[in-house]
Amino acid sequence: QKEVEQDPGPLSVPEGAIVSLNCTYSNSAFQYFMWYRQYSRKGPELLMYTYSSGNKEDGRFTAQVDKSSKYISLFIRDSQPSDSATYLCAMTLSGGYQKVTFGTGTKLQVIP
Amino acid sequence: GAGVSQSPSNKVTEKGKDVELRCDPISGHTALYWYRQSLGQGLEFLIYFQGNSAPDKSGLPSDRFSAERTGGSVSTLTIQRTQQEDSAVYLCASGGKPGRTSGRATEQFFGPGTRLTVL
Repeated sequence: QKEVEQDPGPLSVPEGAIVSLNCTYSNSAFQYFMWYRQYSRKGPELLMYTYSSGNKEDGRFTAQVDKSSKYISLFIRDSQPSDSATYLCAMTLSGGYQKVTFGTGTKLQVIP
Repeated sequence: GAGVSQSPSNKVTEKGKDVELRCDPISGHTALYWYRQSLGQGLEFLIYFQGNSAPDKSGLPSDRFSAERTGGSVSTLTIQRTQQEDSAVYLCASGGKPGRTSGRATEQFFGPGTRLTVL
């Protein structure tokens, strides 16, 4: 079993929809949680970063962490065709520079 | 340049040959990572450098894989006696400036990757 599980999709939604992307994990020691966005044939780029449990909002994006359930989510409001990409969750045991464990990524397509 | 660069962008090689993949991190970044991304497999951690030393090389799949970093900057990932299962996109990321302690401390900036195909 992988440490981080993520539905690979693809997920297709109409423009303007609310998108929910999720990951579950098995290691309760993870403390820092991130979402990366990867466009086709590009490297991933950091979207959101949260520490421990709670919510964090940045524009149309909201990240949620529920450590008791070992479950993290990324919500995208008013989705746009430019949001079409693969979204990867990632997590680390602590802050600073160290091994980062990624999910497999969910491919999202927003239909105009 | 402003971002992480990797070379070559594409590499096609024959089974059994050695390959070298290069990563130029963002200037001043102390941490450097190598990942492998196969179709449907997400990012597989290979090795991480802090300066020139590698505190965690637990992800290297076999002793055919090695990496080094010199001058706290450029890194080379070497795969010896390549196998078809080595075909993947190899991504490099860098992060961190000295003294950074919190916030987005774990942010990594990724290069575009090297697409390796072993025939």
